[in-house]
Amino acid sequence: SYVLTQPPSVSVAPGQTARLTCGGNNIGIKSVHWYQQKPGQAPVLVVYDDSDRPSGIPERFSGSKSGNTATLTISRVEAGDEADYYCQVWDSRSDHYVFGTGTKVTVL
Amino acid sequence: QVQLVQSGAEVKKPGASVKVSCKASGYTFTGYYMHWVRQAPGQGLEWMGWINPNSGGTNYAQKFQGRVTMTRDTSISTAYMELSRLRSDDTAVYYCARVLPGVRGVLWGMDVWGQGTTVTVSS
Repeated sequence: SYVLTQPPSVSVAPGQTARLTCGGNNIGIKSVHWYQQKPGQAPVLVVYDDSDRPSGIPERFSGSKSGNTATLTISRVEAGDEADYYCQVWDSRSDHYVFGTGTKVTVL
Repeated sequence: QVQLVQSGAEVKKPGASVKVSCKASGYTFTGYYMHWVRQAPGQGLEWMGWINPNSGGTNYAQKFQGRVTMTRDTSISTAYMELSRLRSDDTAVYYCARVLPGVRGVLWGMDVWGQGTTVTVSS
């Protein structure tokens, strides 16, 4: 089955930039989505189709892709950005949706 | 506003079944697939499958084949997820989330989520 790998944790100081990676075979040809999940809450879509933002999501959140890695960049990090972040794709081979393992972002 | 409201928490014994509901409002229910995702305590998100509310067609993750049944009642804009032969490791929060059908869904992701339903399996 298709696997998406994310680093378990990332720590970043307020005002700095956090870069969260998501690795998967041939991810370059897939549409990657990113979700933010704060404790006790449902996930929220923050980036879709690699780099687009839903309405209401700050421009500080941006997505990109290079080779077999997708990246979610959070600029000018704020305390409120502390959360778990998951990448997600659709696997055409199985016709199944797949989530990454998740990255916990800690704001120092 | 667009909203998915799920049923309340459940406590079940091993071997029992649970049925979780997800009521949609603020949009055309049959215009979006309904996906189900679960999250065990302290763990990540796990995709379970989807139902097409328009046709009733389903697509289940391999792991849940034979144990999960997704249905819908279009008259009340509600989707259901039933999981049978419950085990302790089915203890989790279960979410519904809407996705556009076909290619648009692949490109646009899960844009609205329910609040989650906690299912506890314990003897």
